Amino acid sequence: SQTIHQWPATLVQPVGSPLSLECTVEGTSNPNLYWYRQAAGRGLQLLFYSVGIGQISSEVPQNLSASRPQDRQFILSSKKLLLSDSGFYLCAWRRGGTEAFFGQGTRLTVV
Amino acid sequence: AQSVTQLDSQVPVFEEAPVELRCNYSSSVSVYLFWYVQYPNQGLQLLLKYLSGSTLVKGINGFEAEFNKSQTSFHLRKPSVHISDTAEYFCAVRLISGGYQKVTFGTGTKLQVIP
Repeated sequence: SQTIHQWPATLVQPVGSPLSLECTVEGTSNPNLYWYRQAAGRGLQLLFYSVGIGQISSEVPQNLSASRPQDRQFILSSKKLLLSDSGFYLCAWRRGGTEAFFGQGTRLTVV
Repeated sequence: AQSVTQLDSQVPVFEEAPVELRCNYSSSVSVYLFWYVQYPNQGLQLLLKYLSGSTLVKGINGFEAEFNKSQTSFHLRKPSVHISDTAEYFCAVRLISGGYQKVTFGTGTKLQVIP
């Protein structure tokens, strides 16, 4: 069966520090991968998606970037965090089917 | 482009009472429809989905939703809620077409079940 792992679960980082959140998928190959952000009091916002290794599409301009160095690995990064980057980050995958499957999320607090 | 509207940001309801969470969408083409649930500090879990066929869809935990094409709605219902149903619920749509299509989510409805 397919599983998705996302870490860390919680993270507190100072403003201006770098960020790296990792997401890996097991049990499938060539999935579509997604990063969503859920800010306090707001819905889910799609940040990035990837249909293959090295292929990244950005939905909104922001302080973040994403990379897909391997087929089942998706990384969300920032060189310098802003206070507005705080939120709940969710990784998801989909392949061929209709619904997306989500990781457990990372609660990021920028202080 | 498609969009999803969840008008109710919060819905308080007493335990064992019925509940309806509203979802309306707009799209110029046919869509798949989903409801996801998010428990505190967790990822999203699929509750149910409408792909085709019967407009009444039954999901997990006793939830069901009805697709109404003329009203472009996909409201979620449960006849009797439990404390454990307290969570945030998201409606989502995806275009029916080949190739990549992103899922668009509503802003979510927080269901609070009161003892």
